[in-house]
Amino acid sequence: EAGVTQFPSHSVIEKGQTVTLRCDPISGHDNLYWYRRVMGKEIKFLLHFVKESKQDESGMPNNRFLAERTGGTYSTLKVQPAELEDSGVYFCASSTQGYEQYFGPGTRLTVT
Amino acid sequence: AQSVTQPDIHITVSEGASLELRCNYSYGATPYLFWYVQSPGQGLQLLLKYFSGDTLVQGIKGFEAEFKRSQSSFNLRKPSVHWSDAAEYFCAVGAPNGNKLVFGAGTILRVKS
Repeated sequence: EAGVTQFPSHSVIEKGQTVTLRCDPISGHDNLYWYRRVMGKEIKFLLHFVKESKQDESGMPNNRFLAERTGGTYSTLKVQPAELEDSGVYFCASSTQGYEQYFGPGTRLTVT
Repeated sequence: AQSVTQPDIHITVSEGASLELRCNYSYGATPYLFWYVQSPGQGLQLLLKYFSGDTLVQGIKGFEAEFKRSQSSFNLRKPSVHWSDAAEYFCAVGAPNGNKLVFGAGTILRVKS
């Protein structure tokens, strides 16, 4: 069984540009989560999808971040326009009933 | 609000020595507790979890953790550390409704030969 995959593994963009991160959850997992770890800080929750619906987006930092999960399969997280403080590692996780989350390898975003 | 404290940012142990990584949490009810490990260049891997029942839980790679309600702790232990255990370890707490996890800051484990 394939695990959670994320693309790209690393992205370097300039301030003001747009970046889209993609997450493919484990097949059959209705729950999909996005987390972020800024350098030296804790891993912080961003949002939670159940199928295609946003269950909880309380962790989204501001309206420059847009997450979608069309069709309840893969998800994208767009940052537009990117700021320096958006740099960090973005993790995606998926689960069936939500108790045990399986994480992807993360996307390292560097905004210069 | 939920919170997790991992008081040790870095720990160095000798190969073959025992290990204990500390984790304290703040939560209004009985939480779901997790330990994850991140090896260099890898994603987060679940080591073990506690939902209910026996307070001593066994995980993968020879790790175990003990839930102590009175101390609000969920410390991770391993009797004999291997060089391949060098990684960053995260304690996390989740609500029974299966939503977000709240993570500690992580503990970086270095293993010296």
